[in-house]
Amino acid sequence: DTAVSQTPKYLVTQMGNDKSIKCEQNLGHDTMYWYKQDSKKFLKIMFSYNNKELIINETVPNRFSPKSPDKAHLNLHINSLELGDSAVYFCASSQSTRHPYEQYFGPGTRLTVT
Amino acid sequence: KQEVTQIPAALSVPEGENLVLNCSFTDSAIYNLQWFRQDPGKGLTSLLLIQSSQREQTSGRLNASLDKSSGRSTLYIAASQPGDSATYLCAVLTGANSKLTFGKGITLSVRP
Repeated sequence: DTAVSQTPKYLVTQMGNDKSIKCEQNLGHDTMYWYKQDSKKFLKIMFSYNNKELIINETVPNRFSPKSPDKAHLNLHINSLELGDSAVYFCASSQSTRHPYEQYFGPGTRLTVT
Repeated sequence: KQEVTQIPAALSVPEGENLVLNCSFTDSAIYNLQWFRQDPGKGLTSLLLIQSSQREQTSGRLNASLDKSSGRSTLYIAASQPGDSATYLCAVLTGANSKLTFGKGITLSVRP
């Protein structure tokens, strides 16, 4: 039983394309996140959603658009992909933003833009 | 702005050694601190979570301590094994929106 799952695990695409990464959590959590891990392995938050409402948007280009159809899903859509978007993207969830609960991470999606 | 520092970036030790991994953060107004493990090409596994009101947490051979006032945490690994080889990340939770800020990690190699 995977708690936080992401699809696809690997994504190779060309510059200029539009792609989506899906994330689902079966923990009943209210809050979900997207993180980016760059080539230097530095992890940084991109977005967080609480009950389908955007909470954090960390100076991410407008080409990145998160979408939360329900509180168990947070998808990441990327338009006009650029070489610099190549990274590993991690989805995470936690019980709430109101209390300092533990965050659980998905396995990551390795995006390569050529 | 919260900044998390982990030094050194890499560490190599012989099997059986007890070791300490350090983490420091600039803003002491944290809710909690988490230590994660990341294996090459894999996701993050949460090892220990210390709430801001706690001083330490233990799990098996791992012990994490927190000194919030000085902005420091340590992860102690007893009797290290080759299977402990991985990158260890420290992260602190701050802000009304529960933002998790990561350090750059310490890549540990335990030699047989």
